[in-house]
Amino acid sequence: GAGVSQSPSNKVTEKGKDVELRCDPISGHTALYWYRQRLGQGLEFLIYFQGNSAPDKSGLPSDRFSAERTGGSVSTLTIQRTQQEDSAVYLCASSLFRSGGAGEQFFGPGTRLTVL
Amino acid sequence: KQEVTQIPAALSVPEGENLVLNCSFTDSAIYNLQWFRQDPGKGLTSLLLIQSSQREQTSGRLNASLDKSSGRSTLYIAASQPGDSATYLCAVNPRAGGATNKLIFGTGTLLAVQP
Repeated sequence: GAGVSQSPSNKVTEKGKDVELRCDPISGHTALYWYRQRLGQGLEFLIYFQGNSAPDKSGLPSDRFSAERTGGSVSTLTIQRTQQEDSAVYLCASSLFRSGGAGEQFFGPGTRLTVL
Repeated sequence: KQEVTQIPAALSVPEGENLVLNCSFTDSAIYNLQWFRQDPGKGLTSLLLIQSSQREQTSGRLNASLDKSSGRSTLYIAASQPGDSATYLCAVNPRAGGATNKLIFGTGTLLAVQP
């Protein structure tokens, strides 16, 4: 079946502009995650959705970052007033719900964001 | 605070060799541990998931072990092939307070298998 998809695959923007990144999880996966991978650094957790609610937003680096999920499916990560330090690959993952801990997480190909 | 370390940072081996990648974590309170591979410019591919109650998982030429009490996991790759060349990442799902299912990642081992 189809895996996790993300769009766009690449985004170049100017400092100060807003950007929206989209994630389509695997059908039936109720859990959805956003991570960020900056050049030369490890993956950082940003936010976790269970259904349409976000029980853990602890990784969002500033109030310029927000995310929503609708219909228990598609999620959008929005970065307002982008800064150069926001340049990174943004990865989305989804999993089946488990009552104790995360199920196996499956990742999309990522969106490479470059802020000039 | 949970920290995940992977050793070595880079490894180059000739084709056909068996190899072991190491992952250590500082807090044994985890739900599970997952191994991934990442190819250049691509997302992550899940290789193996080990639940905290398990000691090992196998998939084809891959075998992952987990020793939760000592905070260690190893990924064993048998009869390595050039197509195994990639960055290998381990990640733990910490058993933290509250409803969190995030993964904490190590920085990876860059593997090159020489033909």
